[in-house]
Order: sequence, then structure tokens, then C-alpha cells
Amino acid sequence: AQSVAQPEDQVNVAEGNPLTVKCTYSVSGNPYLFWYVQYPNRGLQFLLKYITGDNLVKGSYGFEAEFNKSQTSFHLKKPSALVSDSALYFCAVRDSILTGGGNKLTFGTGTQLKVEL
Amino acid sequence: DTAVSQTPKYLVTQMGNDKSIKCEQNLGHDTMYWYKQDSKKFLKIMFSYNNKELIINETVPNRFSPKSPDKAHLNLHINSLELGDSAVYFCASSLGTGGNQPQHFGDGTRLSIL
Repeated sequence: AQSVAQPEDQVNVAEGNPLTVKCTYSVSGNPYLFWYVQYPNRGLQFLLKYITGDNLVKGSYGFEAEFNKSQTSFHLKKPSALVSDSALYFCAVRDSILTGGGNKLTFGTGTQLKVEL
Repeated sequence: DTAVSQTPKYLVTQMGNDKSIKCEQNLGHDTMYWYKQDSKKFLKIMFSYNNKELIINETVPNRFSPKSPDKAHLNLHINSLELGDSAVYFCASSLGTGGNQPQHFGDGTRLSIL
């Protein structure tokens, strides 16, 4: 079974400061990991993914995430937060050995990021 | 150019009614999905189709019936609507079923049952 956890319901950060949104996962095989962002009254937008290769992946809007296999984590980071980054962030995982289930992603419960001036 | 478009955006109806939500994607993807997002923002997959074939069918009441006339369209019909069906329903699409491609989401249909 595949699962993902986002331990923080909300993260508050001052504009200009670095931000981290945490995500841990559990899979049987290798993980395919994704981060999505949701703005109010909008659908989820893809930010970045880790499939294989370099542990540090870069994505849209200056976001990056670090894959850590030993800690089964995939934390989302940004060096300098903007007020416009305030949104709901979802981590998602798919187990690479999942068969018969198509492209079934399991999403975390979401972390609300609030960036204040 | 809307990549994944859903209609209607808002749907307010009475308990017991039947309603449909339509979804279309112009990304050339072959896999489409329906998700339900509840009031706590929890996102759960309901169905997925690949090239018009049903490949994911989660534990969903059989009042919900998806239909895919072609790989660019996936509709959701709901019979005998109940109060608990109030939620935001998202359509999404992706390329293939290998799991390594991102899914692209529509902006959702906000269903409210009176």
C-alpha cells in the first residue's frame, strides 16, 4: 500500500524567509513523488516531481524539493518566500510497483502555507 | 487555452435529483480521472479511464457513474443526490498509466445539495 503524510496543517513564514513544507511517504517499491499547489477556487497545479536521478529536483515558481530515501521524505522548499506563494500545498505518491491500478496517486492532507509581510 | 475544462463550475440542486458534470481535455492525454475534494480539502480518487476503458474504480456508491465517449472526454453522472455528495469534484488527465507523469487538473465543479 502507498501512503503519504503531511504533518503540518499550516505553515507560517515571513516574506523573504526560506520556507519548508514537509512530506513523508510509505511505499513497497520505489516512490514516484509529486508536489501540487492549489489556489482558492482553482484546481491543483503541478509544481515538481521526483521519479529517479538527482535527489534535488527543481520546479515551477522557484520551488525545489529534496528526496531523502533513508528518511522517506520529500520536503518542498523555497529560498525566499513571496506573499503570492500563500496557497494549499499537496504532496502525492505513487508506488512504482503498483500494478493494475493505473496511475493511482495518493495525496496527503494538504498544508496551508501563509506568507506574511 | 483551457487544458482541462469542466462544466458547470457551480451546481446547486435538491436532494434526490440526478445531475451530470462534463470534462474535456485538449492536451492529447489518454488517461482521465475524477476526484472528490471534501470540505476539509481531502482529495480522493473516484474513477480513472485509459483510452475509454475503466481502470480505477474506487469504493464509490453506484449512484455515481462515469462515462468516457472518447479519450478526450470523461463525464460523471450522479443519481439520487444526497447531502453527503456536496463537495468539489475535479477532473484530471495525464499521459499514460505508468505513474511517472503529472496529472493536470480542471478548476472543479462545486456541487451543493440543498
